[in-house]
Amino acid sequence: GAVVSQHPSWVICKSGTSVKIECRSLDFQATTMFWYRQFPKQSLMLMATSNEGSKATYEQGVEKDKFLINHASLTLSTLTVTSAHPEDSSFYICSAETGGAGNEQFFGPGTRLTVL
Amino acid sequence: DAKTTQPTSMDCAEGRAANLPCNHSTISGNEYVYWYRQIHSQGPQYIIHGLKNNETNEMASLIITEDRKSSTLILPHATLRDTAVYYCIVRVAENRDDKIIFGKGTRLHILP
Repeated sequence: GAVVSQHPSWVICKSGTSVKIECRSLDFQATTMFWYRQFPKQSLMLMATSNEGSKATYEQGVEKDKFLINHASLTLSTLTVTSAHPEDSSFYICSAETGGAGNEQFFGPGTRLTVL
Repeated sequence: DAKTTQPTSMDCAEGRAANLPCNHSTISGNEYVYWYRQIHSQGPQYIIHGLKNNETNEMASLIITEDRKSSTLILPHATLRDTAVYYCIVRVAENRDDKIIFGKGTRLHILP
């Protein structure tokens, strides 16, 4: 299947700093990518839909000014957690659509963010 | 909200077939049934999907009832590496931007 990568795989930062997470589709072009957040022992929660060349669509309750999403190319979307706080500590996962007849979504390996 | 209901957890002996049920009684005619799994601290992995016919691939088989209101994912010979949370999802495959809403899934424990 198609490969989606994320960088970094884990990050530890101080409260108040900003953290950027990259999501790349390695062997296909993805016009749409999705960002999820997962707290321990909970399911994945969709945060936003990222469309190449346009503004992201955020789910209800997700602060767009805190979670900045940029989808500047067909293979790269970035999520920036601004002014991170300990409650932002979570597992962040992206997915990318392959398009075509099956239009499957493939998921990245996730990024574990710990805010001290 | 997720459109599917699954048992919270299941156990299966190693080497036996694991049968994971899913109810999707409100599924629409153009919605597919997808299965993903998530091994601890990893991203979800696509397993299989189908519309109304039974499907099989190298990982699993998907059995969909004739009325499409429920389905079963079958792992024919479960191994310890199949221990994971399994998510059953319904979505319209051809629609771009059709977001995946995850329910709570079934936590499958493979017992040695």
